[in-house]
Amino acid sequence: GPKVLQIPSHQIIDMGQMVTLNCDPVSNHLYFYWYKQILGQQMEFLVNFYNGKVMEKSKLFKDQFSVERPDGSYFTLKIQPTALEDSAVYFCASSLEQNSDYTFGSGTRLLVI
Amino acid sequence: GDSVTQTEGLVTLTEGLPVMLNCTYQSTYSPFLFWYVQHLNEAPKLLLKSFTDNKRPEHQGFHATLHKSSSSFHLQKSSAQLSDSALYYCALGNTGANTGKLTFGHGTILRVHP
Repeated sequence: GPKVLQIPSHQIIDMGQMVTLNCDPVSNHLYFYWYKQILGQQMEFLVNFYNGKVMEKSKLFKDQFSVERPDGSYFTLKIQPTALEDSAVYFCASSLEQNSDYTFGSGTRLLVI
Repeated sequence: GDSVTQTEGLVTLTEGLPVMLNCTYQSTYSPFLFWYVQHLNEAPKLLLKSFTDNKRPEHQGFHATLHKSSSSFHLQKSSAQLSDSALYYCALGNTGANTGKLTFGHGTILRVHP
């Protein structure tokens, strides 16, 4: 079936540096999401995005986080500057409609050192 | 706010025995419930979701029934297979929030052995 691709699969970065996580969603999907999963904990909602705008963000979506999808290219999550507590697996997902099935990517494992 | 509780972190079963993974929820609005399955190093994939008309969803031998009276959506299968070993997430969406956001439980690891 259709897939969501996440690039890179792993990223190690020095604290304070900027990182961009890339997501290639399913081609006809309109809604895009980022979830964060710290080791041993559940996936937690960060943000969702539709029609070029953030629809909702959680308290985990700090001021250092931003999302965009310029001209239908990758849906990106940028963290600037990174902090140690940003170390987690970040899952991207997309859906055709608001309450329809998600398609998840395999995640980007981010380690901030 | 919305929350999902999966009481078991790990369920270990012998192949051929029945499976039941628990999921209860709290929701402000009318909920949709989902089960996602994640195999090692793969993306979470939708296993099944609740219907609004009380049909019981089934997929790959798994089924779940949304019981609004007990706020539950337990996942069941009559006979476990080795290939069912994976991480299972129960998730909640609701029509009232209108954003498509899902709230996940902690997940239950299912290990099926011969």
